[in-house]
Amino acid sequence: GAVVSQHPSRVICKSGTSVKIECRSLDFQATTMFWYRQFPKQSLMLMATSNEGSKATYEQGVEKDKFLINHASLTLSTLTVTSAHPEDSSFYICSASPPGAPRSYEQYFGPGTRLTVT
Amino acid sequence: ILNVEQSPQSLHVQEGDSTNFTCSFPSSNFYALHWYRWETAKSPEALFVMTLNGDEKKKGRISATLNTKEGYSYLYIKGSQPEDSATYLCAFKFGNAGYSTLTFGKGTMLLVSP
Repeated sequence: GAVVSQHPSRVICKSGTSVKIECRSLDFQATTMFWYRQFPKQSLMLMATSNEGSKATYEQGVEKDKFLINHASLTLSTLTVTSAHPEDSSFYICSASPPGAPRSYEQYFGPGTRLTVT
Repeated sequence: ILNVEQSPQSLHVQEGDSTNFTCSFPSSNFYALHWYRWETAKSPEALFVMTLNGDEKKKGRISATLNTKEGYSYLYIKGSQPEDSATYLCAFKFGNAGYSTLTFGKGTMLLVSP
């Protein structure tokens, strides 16, 4: 099956600093990748849809200037949490699917990144 | 706001027990229903993508059914094994592939004791 990697798996940073998380599709090309966030005991919530070569589409309530998304190639999307605050501490996870996938397509997920802001 | 509900929230069974979980979703404008298994420290693994009312899918000891008219899906595990311990997520997709994304439930956490 298709593999999506994510790096780092865990990061601790100080309040006010920025953190970059990478999401890579290892054995397929992904024109679209998705970024989710999960708070404790909550469901995965979509933050934004990352489109290769164009601007990301953000969900309502997600600050695009705070969560910068770059999808520079067909295998790499990055999420940068700028000026991180303790309330940004969460589990961030990305997913992707091959282009032109049919209705029954699966989304392939990375293993996620645990961000702790102190 | 789309609401996807999963029950129970958690479940503890003995090895060999059979079990099932429920996923409820809006019955209108249905497109697809996804089931994932998510083990700790690993990537969520896709189990099934279900698109047609009445669909039944099976992978080994795990099977799933779909009722789009009433808005629910059941996931069954026959003869649970300790390696089945994981969180099982369902996710709903409405509309069509180009214009909607996955909305997840909170998951059912399954623990299978030897």
